[in-house]
Amino acid sequence: GDSVTQMEGPVTLSEEAFLTINCTYTATGYPSLFWYVQYPGEGLQLLLKATKADDKGSNKGFEATYRKETTSFHLEKGSVQVSDSAVYFCALRQGGSEKLVFGKGTKLTVNP
Amino acid sequence: DGGITQSPKYLFRKEGQNVTLSCEQNLNHDAMYWYRQDPGQGLRLIYYSQIVNDFQKGDIAEGYSVSREKKESFPLTVTSAQKNPTAFYLCASSRTVDEQFFGPGTRLTVL
Repeated sequence: GDSVTQMEGPVTLSEEAFLTINCTYTATGYPSLFWYVQYPGEGLQLLLKATKADDKGSNKGFEATYRKETTSFHLEKGSVQVSDSAVYFCALRQGGSEKLVFGKGTKLTVNP
Repeated sequence: DGGITQSPKYLFRKEGQNVTLSCEQNLNHDAMYWYRQDPGQGLRLIYYSQIVNDFQKGDIAEGYSVSREKKESFPLTVTSAQKNPTAFYLCASSRTVDEQFFGPGTRLTVL
């Protein structure tokens, strides 16, 4: 079946450091790909998405590019802030399906 | 403001009791979902509903039940048949398949 694999955390960075969180997927066809963020004690929020190969999703300084050849959707940010501390989830959805398949999440802590 | 509300935020129950978690949305979304979140496990789909009076099992439906009598409401009952009910439960809704909006969650602890 479809699956999403994220780099294991936790990830701890200093403010203004560069962030990469790796995400790879296993799926047939051309799924849509998503990054969700969960701040402490809250539900998930959609951070960005890409619906076809080579698309780049971006939001709040975060970016991720849909790479079909490497089945990857790595999340990047050039300069993280303390307020970016959260758990980040990579997810996919197959065309025609209502279901999201989530990775296990990566906890990011940014220190001042 | 439009959004999804889940109540209560924290819920405690004794082992063997059924408990119902509330989820209400005023976004006029047709589809609603229930997920379970455990530490290090990510989110797993319990049930989902695409229209009123219809719902489908997700990946871990055993020990849970739902109803969808109104568009705005999708309550989840955790029955005594659920072997490990202690978890964080998240409700979501969507108008299109590309984005799901999540509620703040309910943390259920079974004593």
